[in-house]
Amino acid sequence: DQQVKQNSPSLSVQEGRISILNCDYTNSMFDYFLWYKKYPAEGPTFLISISSIKDKNEDGRFTVFLNKSAKHLSLHIVPSQPGDSAVYFCAARGRETGNQFYFGTGTSLTVIP
Amino acid sequence: DAGVIQSPRHEVTEMGQEVTLRCKLISGHNSLFWYRQTMMRGLELLIYFNNNVPIDDSGMPEDRFSAKMPNASFSTLKIQPSEPRDSAVYFCASRPTGWAGELFFGEGSRLTVL
Repeated sequence: DQQVKQNSPSLSVQEGRISILNCDYTNSMFDYFLWYKKYPAEGPTFLISISSIKDKNEDGRFTVFLNKSAKHLSLHIVPSQPGDSAVYFCAARGRETGNQFYFGTGTSLTVIP
Repeated sequence: DAGVIQSPRHEVTEMGQEVTLRCKLISGHNSLFWYRQTMMRGLELLIYFNNNVPIDDSGMPEDRFSAKMPNASFSTLKIQPSEPRDSAVYFCASRPTGWAGELFFGEGSRLTVL
């Protein structure tokens, strides 16, 4: 039973435009959320995180938005670059789950030059 | 500093054979997680250890899967006997002592069971 869902398996965006990746979760006790980026034949690498006490966190071209009432978070990449082409996973953690992370199925982003 | 190191990077084996995947944690990390990546389920947690002790193995699919952490820096994931449906990429991740934030992943072991 997937507690973290990424309903878009893939997304294509033109270079320079905004990429918006979405993630939904079911457990209202989740209190910390992360995005990971994964290139082929490599392990996932941490990109950005947000605590449930915030609704936005920004790091350069990357911004994560959290809507707790909707149990939804999104990752915005502006402007998108070809090097951003990768699979993006969202993950969530809750203290009652022993601080372990639950991951979504991933969204494959392709940024077209 | 070296990251999480996994071996082998690729394994091709025949159904029924035993498979052992290995993971070396980052020095100073005391939590160890094994994940499996499939198209259908994404990154699926199999088991995690804290201070060498298994905390939650509810994600281990069957008795054919077992994991050990014989010391603070090393872990193995064993599948015996292997089946074609076990084909996936297996990731190991670790986290520093006292840190509840992000995990640090290895590059993964791609397993193909024929």
